[in-house]
Amino acid sequence: QKEVEQNSGPLSVPEGAIASLNCTYSDRGSQSFFWYRQYSGKSPELIMFIYSNGDKEDGRFTAQLNKASQYVSLLIRDSQPSDSATYLCAVGDTGGFKTIFGAGTRLFVKA
Amino acid sequence: GAGVSQSPRYKVAKRGQDVALRCDPISGHVSLFWYQQALGQGPEFLTYFQNEAQLDKSGLPSDRFFAERPEGSVSTLKIQRTQQEDSAVYLCASTPGLINQPQHFGDGTRLSIL
Repeated sequence: QKEVEQNSGPLSVPEGAIASLNCTYSDRGSQSFFWYRQYSGKSPELIMFIYSNGDKEDGRFTAQLNKASQYVSLLIRDSQPSDSATYLCAVGDTGGFKTIFGAGTRLFVKA
Repeated sequence: GAGVSQSPRYKVAKRGQDVALRCDPISGHVSLFWYQQALGQGPEFLTYFQNEAQLDKSGLPSDRFFAERPEGSVSTLKIQRTQQEDSAVYLCASTPGLINQPQHFGDGTRLSIL
């Protein structure tokens, strides 16, 4: 059973701080990695995707990938209360067509 | 349309009834996915279509679940003889090309089985 593991949280950070969200995956051959944000009662929306080792930055968000360690992370700089949501890590499955999601990390940004 | 559209948004059914959930993907999107999301969990893969072909149905929980996409656009997920454990949010997502691309999600259908 291929897995994607995330700390369920909640992760609580003060406004303006850096939030660090982590994810590990079991499928060593995975090539595609995604971070989705999900507000309560809403559907997931894409935040970042990354395919290569290293860092990828987009505004206040940075995705980091280390395939050797099977580890992917998301950094949110200058966290805002509107960033409070559940963040889902998702990994492309090499054995088929599915994307495997973690259970998500709940983030609270305190004003 | 501008985004992935799902209907109904909410569905309440009695145990044993059949239900049908509809997904209208973004126009021209080749790939379509169905997921089941239980409260407090991440989406669980159910099935994948590439155009009208169902290439992966390994996530369907039982033979009570059936999905189709006959013309390669709109898809329907049907659940027969519903059970209480079928209560969940059913999400549909699409991508313009093949697998391993970022997915665009619909708002989901919240299914409650009484």
